[in-house]
Amino acid sequence: DSGVTQTPKHLITATGQRVTLRCSPRSGDLSVYWYQQSLDQGLQFLIQYYNGEERAKGNILERFSAQQFPDLHSELNLSSLELGDSALYFCASSVGGAGNNEQFFGPGTRLTVL
Amino acid sequence: GDSVTQMEGPVTLSEEAFLTINCTYTATGYPSLFWYVQYPGEGLQLLLKATKADDKGSNKGFEATYRKETTSFHLEKGSVQVSDSAVYFCPSIEGAQKLVFGQGTRLTINP
Repeated sequence: DSGVTQTPKHLITATGQRVTLRCSPRSGDLSVYWYQQSLDQGLQFLIQYYNGEERAKGNILERFSAQQFPDLHSELNLSSLELGDSALYFCASSVGGAGNNEQFFGPGTRLTVL
Repeated sequence: GDSVTQMEGPVTLSEEAFLTINCTYTATGYPSLFWYVQYPGEGLQLLLKATKADDKGSNKGFEATYRKETTSFHLEKGSVQVSDSAVYFCPSIEGAQKLVFGQGTRLTINP
């Protein structure tokens, strides 16, 4: 158990809908990362927050947005969903905000868009 | 900028075989280097790391040495088990902020 929790574990929805994925980092970690893992793209970095502020951005679509709240939990919002958004979404956390910090991954949320 | 190149898979071995998964880096300095592993149905977890040249990271029988002469951080294990079947990632570091994981190397160990 990494100490990072993600909810829900599974999510099934239809195209055009909007969903919210939630992540609680390990106690004491200030940084939260979001990743998308699909069979054809591998593990893609989406976005990072550090202590409530956006720190780094990756291949995140404009239909997707995220935020980190004062209690440090984070939410990833996916809207106007398409079939291709079906994937595993992982959240990770680390103590610091730099790339050389060890990241602890949650168990992931499996999103299926029908 | 800094970058890491990981050997692509998949890799299939028999139990008790010797394992090497190659990872080489280019960097102006000496960034920390990592190996992460993803077991079936789970999230990634750190397997080992090295923070400076000549450091050796080790865990669960796996080893990797940060070799500045060959700019490599190859993952090795002397005798693999079926339970080592997983996807292994040697992420690259972009700038100071993020790790880039890529596709990883899928390892399958047959009994």
